[in-house]
Amino acid sequence: DAGVIQSPRHEVTEMGQEVTLRCKLISGHNSLFWYRQTMMRGLELLIYFNNNVPIDDSGMPEDRFSAKMPNASFSTLKIQPSEPRDSAVYFCASSFRPSTDTQYFGPGTRLTVL
Amino acid sequence: KNEVEQSPQNLTAQEGEFITINCSYSVGISALHWLQQHPGGGIVSLFMLSSGKKKHGRLIATINIQEKHSSLHITASHPRDSAVYICAVWTSGSRLTFGEGTQLTVNP
Repeated sequence: DAGVIQSPRHEVTEMGQEVTLRCKLISGHNSLFWYRQTMMRGLELLIYFNNNVPIDDSGMPEDRFSAKMPNASFSTLKIQPSEPRDSAVYFCASSFRPSTDTQYFGPGTRLTVL
Repeated sequence: KNEVEQSPQNLTAQEGEFITINCSYSVGISALHWLQQHPGGGIVSLFMLSSGKKKHGRLIATINIQEKHSSLHITASHPRDSAVYICAVWTSGSRLTFGEGTQLTVNP
């Protein structure tokens, strides 16, 4: 298996634009996690899904952020409209089950909002 | 006070030294992760613990549920162990909370 795949790897956009980050889970995994990492705040869990259902979205900063799982192997994280403070590295990770199994991380998407 | 605290924040060692990184937490947990983030940014899950001790190669992780404390040990450290080590806990309410990380540098 190729592991968790994220795209794009780098994104530079202007304030106010819509940004969509994509993640493909490892085949057979049922849980999907979106994280954000910044120098100021470190690594933060934004949202996680189990069996395509959002379980905890308490880390999603505000209504400008939304995450979906249109199918069992794919997820998107959308920011609309984007702001400079959204600049960060966004990781997704997958596992068989959320709190009892090892998570496998994707390589991350580095987002810069000008 | 953070729910998850790591110490030290920064650690410099000489190749071959035994290294210990500590993680203390103040909430009830169901499991604890140790993660490693390489200088290039990639994140790898090293261990997931709910009790006792786990070993993988030169890495050993222990957890004491009563004392709310976990340690990550590296034996015979090597420059390639240089990375940020992050402790994260699953709280009893199914929330994942992270420590601030420990920056480890192992010099040859």
